[in-house]
Amino acid sequence: DTAVSQTPKYLVTQMGNDKSIKCEQNLGHDTMYWYKQDSKKFLKIMFSYNNKELIINETVPNRFSPKSPDKAHLNLHINSLELGDSAVYFCASRSGTGGPDTQYFGPGTRLTVL
Amino acid sequence: AQSVSQHNHHVILSEAASLELGCNYSYGGTVNLFWYVQYPGQHLQLLLKYFSGDPLVKGIKGFEAEFIKSKFSFNLRKPSVQWSDTAEYFCAVNAYNNAGNMLTFGGGTRLMVKP
Repeated sequence: DTAVSQTPKYLVTQMGNDKSIKCEQNLGHDTMYWYKQDSKKFLKIMFSYNNKELIINETVPNRFSPKSPDKAHLNLHINSLELGDSAVYFCASRSGTGGPDTQYFGPGTRLTVL
Repeated sequence: AQSVSQHNHHVILSEAASLELGCNYSYGGTVNLFWYVQYPGQHLQLLLKYFSGDPLVKGIKGFEAEFIKSKFSFNLRKPSVQWSDTAEYFCAVNAYNNAGNMLTFGGGTRLMVKP
């Protein structure tokens, strides 16, 4: 009964490859996010989707492309992986009904680019 | 744009010591404030949050935080830490009604509690 789940948990790949990370939430939330946590543990927002529509797109290379097939899923596709993409990627969701609310985080996907 | 500062990057305490982790934010409007904890190898978990009302909020595991609007601060406290509190602690701010309600995180504070 995991609220926010991500797959895979670990991903090791070579530079130049294309990979995807999947996120699913069973909370009935409208809004989902991707955050990146670098090696120094600094967390930064990447994208936000509300009801399958892109709301926030922070300064992220266009090699990163989020896709939301439905409001329960937000996947992250990364093209032409670079060494600097190595990080832990966290998915999160919130109800999105407006007003203050809490974001719930997934377990993270540790991406290592060799 | 909002920003969050956590001044203590690393804190080492002995069990039963008292804890206070600083968090300051910069944003002129209404904010929602959060403390998240990340245990080693795990995901972020909510410790406590402040939306409105009593500025002293109590969270899980004996943690509390006080919102002082005049100081733009939301410091985290615990009177007596345990070894199991060893973790990374993140303060976060959500500017109320911003477009996507995104969280801005501080740089984190790594707490190590010695048994």
